[in-house]
Amino acid sequence: GESVGLHLPTLSVQEGDNSIINCAYSNSASDYFIWYKQESGKGPQFIIDIRSNMDKRQGQRVTVLLNKTVKHLSLQIAATQPGDSAVYFCAEASGGYNKLIFGAGTRLAVHP
Amino acid sequence: KAGVTQTPRYLIKTRGQQVTLSCSPISGHRSVSWYQQTPGQGLQFLFEYFSETQRNKGNFPGRFSGRQFSNSRSEMNVSTLELGDSALYLCASSIQGRLNTGELFFGEGSRLTVL
Repeated sequence: GESVGLHLPTLSVQEGDNSIINCAYSNSASDYFIWYKQESGKGPQFIIDIRSNMDKRQGQRVTVLLNKTVKHLSLQIAATQPGDSAVYFCAEASGGYNKLIFGAGTRLAVHP
Repeated sequence: KAGVTQTPRYLIKTRGQQVTLSCSPISGHRSVSWYQQTPGQGLQFLFEYFSETQRNKGNFPGRFSGRQFSNSRSEMNVSTLELGDSALYLCASSIQGRLNTGELFFGEGSRLTVL
C-alpha cells in the first residue's frame, strides 16, 4: 500500500508493552478531539474521542488524556499488538462542525 | 451496511487537466467532508457539504470545488491540475452536520498522481 507519510516521528514498542502517543494541538478554542488510526492504503479509522469538558476517557485498550492548560492530548494503548502498527493522528475541532484540524501523525511500529 | 465509497481509487492526470472525484456516503449520512493528504502537508480540510450546501471551506485555491447532490453523494473537482495536487483525497461522512455523534467515517481515498 501507499505510505501515509515518509518522515513521520516513529514510536517503536515491543508487543505487549503499553504505548503512549502524544499530540500538541493548536487552537485553545477547540472543544472536541479525536484520535484516528490509519493503516497503509486505507482511510483514517476512528479510535476514540473526548470533549473539552473531560480530561480522560477510556475505551477498549485505549485511553485518551486531555490537558487543556498546555494544549496537549495523548493516546495510551495497553498491551500493544502487531495489529496496532499504523500511523496515528490526533484531530481537533471547534463549534461542533465537521471541520477537523489534524496533527502531523505518529507512526507506531510494534515489534514481536 | 456499506461504508464510504470513493471512486476512482487511483488516477493519473497531466498538468493542466481537470479531475472529478466521487464520494458516496454511508446511507443516511447527510454530511460529506473532503480532505487532502500529502506526505508534506498531512491531512488538510478542503470543504464540507450538508444538505447540498457548502458549510465550511478550507484554505485551498478556487481550483478546488465541490458539490453535493440531493442523495448526499458528493463530487469534488480540481481544475488546471498542478504537480502539487498529487495527493490522496479522502472523503468522510457523518450522520449529522455537527459532530454530535462523535464520528466521521472515512473512505479509502482516491489517489491522484499529476505528471
